[in-house]
Amino acid sequence: EVQLVESGGGLVQPGRSLRLSCAASGFTFDDYAMHWVRQAPGKGLEWVSGISWNSGSIGYADSVKGRFTISRDNAKNSLYLQMNSLRAEDTALYYCAKDTTEWLFNPTSDYWGQGTLVTVSS
Amino acid sequence: QSALTQPRSVSGSPGQSVTISCTGTSSDVGGYNYVSWYQQHPGKAPKLMIYDVSKRPSGVPDRFSGSKSGNTASLTISGLQAEDEADYYCCSYAGSYTLVVFGGGTKLTVL
Repeated sequence: EVQLVESGGGLVQPGRSLRLSCAASGFTFDDYAMHWVRQAPGKGLEWVSGISWNSGSIGYADSVKGRFTISRDNAKNSLYLQMNSLRAEDTALYYCAKDTTEWLFNPTSDYWGQGTLVTVSS
Repeated sequence: QSALTQPRSVSGSPGQSVTISCTGTSSDVGGYNYVSWYQQHPGKAPKLMIYDVSKRPSGVPDRFSGSKSGNTASLTISGLQAEDEADYYCCSYAGSYTLVVFGGGTKLTVL
């Protein structure tokens, strides 16, 4: 059974940093690209970042470019999102999602975690 | 990165059909056959319903179908059931720079 478990969320002050993690199991992690997708309270889904199976291809939404860094450790079956210079508008539930292919050219997510909540407030 | 345009809400009675549109541009929806649709019930994670414009993952009822014409993709749900009431989001590949764009979401109400 595919499982994606996010962690690392919490309350953080504007301008500070936070690192999210996603522990994957039930599939061959290094065969697939992975994504972070967020959802602000009461709002829609917003793609944040994606990374190919070998970290050779990485992409970011304009809203987080230069502040967030996605990475993965295939040996640990884990996905990460380093979030710096956090803003109030980054407040959201952050989902980890598995892609259906190893690359980012056809971003389709067939499994999602339950999300970890990030609240940016003073 | 502008979101794809979806109607805020649609509704239908049990047994009826509804169609949700998703309008983009030639740089996303119209440029690639990489449109997917997700269903999200309140408090739950999104679920993949349609991918590659019109393909259904295993386990998704054939009441759900997808299509595309030009820059507009559509999700049609036939034989509406109460459990179909949820939010629906379209998503498209948008090229190697932008990569991914979501629609703003459509709330489906089953009357």
